[in-house]
Amino acid sequence: DTAVSQTPKYLVTQMGNDKSIKCEQNLGHDTMYWYKQDSKKFLKIMFSYNNKELIINETVPNRFSPKSPDKAHLNLHINSLELGDSAVYFCASSQTRTSGGAGETQYFGPGTRLLVL
Amino acid sequence: DAKTTQPNSMESNEEEPVHLPCNHSTISGTDYIHWYRQLPSQGPEYVIHGLTSNVNNRMASLAIAEDRKSSTLILHRATLRDAAVYYCILRAFGNEKLTFGTGTRLTIIP
Repeated sequence: DTAVSQTPKYLVTQMGNDKSIKCEQNLGHDTMYWYKQDSKKFLKIMFSYNNKELIINETVPNRFSPKSPDKAHLNLHINSLELGDSAVYFCASSQTRTSGGAGETQYFGPGTRLLVL
Repeated sequence: DAKTTQPNSMESNEEEPVHLPCNHSTISGTDYIHWYRQLPSQGPEYVIHGLTSNVNNRMASLAIAEDRKSSTLILHRATLRDAAVYYCILRAFGNEKLTFGTGTRLTIIP
């Protein structure tokens, strides 16, 4: 069984459209993330949710809105898509320790390849 | 998070050991050293992490310099499946965020 899954795997759309990417994890983790990997392969965190609460928002445009209906899901909705949004989007999850420490291992999904035309 | 410096690319022959270096001269005392790798067309995956002592797991070994300003990821016997981009990441104590650099693209020569 896939630990972190994303749908769709590929998404081709026109500029100006609104689209959503779904992420689900079956690891029982309480923290989920969205990362963006651009055309130069640079991977950068966008958001993090812990128990459905937003804890990291890395100056992402307001057109991006994450939604977490429950601990196992973190969806990414993008309004008014722009050419620069073309990238691979990765979802990840981890189990957060309240005592801090090394930081828990993050498990990544396979990615959603978004192409905006 | 403090910055890391890695070579852009490395090559290694199959079935030989691989040593992937990482410099982190501005590391703080509470920064952990994490390694992730990204296989082609896949999401990143965890490899190993450590603080001060050398670490071993089923995937690799991590050798940390005594002054902690550098570390080396060691793949003991590289296979073609180890061809990937390897990221060395410093993670502050209690910080859940991963800040990826440019990594090292490892090519395995059959």
